Amino acid sequence: GAVVSQHPSWVICKSGTSVKIECRSLDFQATTMFWYRQFPKKSLMLMATSNEGSKATYEQGVEKDKFLINHASLTLSTLTVTSAHPEDSSFYICSARVQGDSGNTIYFGEGSWLTVV
Amino acid sequence: GQNIDQPTEMTATEGAIVQINCTYQTSGFNGLFWYQQHAGEAPTFLSYNVLDGLEEKGRFSSFLSRSKGYSYLLLKELQMKDSASYLCAVRSNNFNKFYFGSGTKLNVKP
Repeated sequence: GAVVSQHPSWVICKSGTSVKIECRSLDFQATTMFWYRQFPKKSLMLMATSNEGSKATYEQGVEKDKFLINHASLTLSTLTVTSAHPEDSSFYICSARVQGDSGNTIYFGEGSWLTVV
Repeated sequence: GQNIDQPTEMTATEGAIVQINCTYQTSGFNGLFWYQQHAGEAPTFLSYNVLDGLEEKGRFSSFLSRSKGYSYLLLKELQMKDSASYLCAVRSNNFNKFYFGSGTKLNVKP
């Protein structure tokens, strides 16, 4: 299957600072990437849909000014958590759909654990 | 809105068969997917249904009834390594977004 890579896998940051998480499709081009958030023992919550060359589409209740998403190329999307607070601590996972694919499935990155202290 | 329901937890014995159910009510439907997720790891794709019926893939099978908003994942010849969470996901016809159920934690006992 297709490979999606996330970086960093783990990050600890101080409250009030910003942190950037990268999501790369390594062996395919992805016009659309998705960002999810997962709390311990809970399921994946879709945060936003990242579209290459245009603005991201955010799900209801997700603050677009707090979770900045940039999809600058067909292989890279970034999520920046701005002015992070302890309640932002979570597991963030990206996924990507293969360009031109009928959309049969999405491929997930390894996930990024964010801890805000 | 999206409403996807699964049982929270199930327990089964090694070598047995287990069925994990999923019911959904979504605004727009373009396929139902099952993923396996081990604790602390990203989900991995198991199966996909877009038409009614049964899809078989080795020890895993998945069934879909669109009229009933119902799917199940069937795991045969259970192995200890099958202990994981199983996520039911519906793909909408709106930008192909995926919405996930809360997941079913499966415990396989010797």
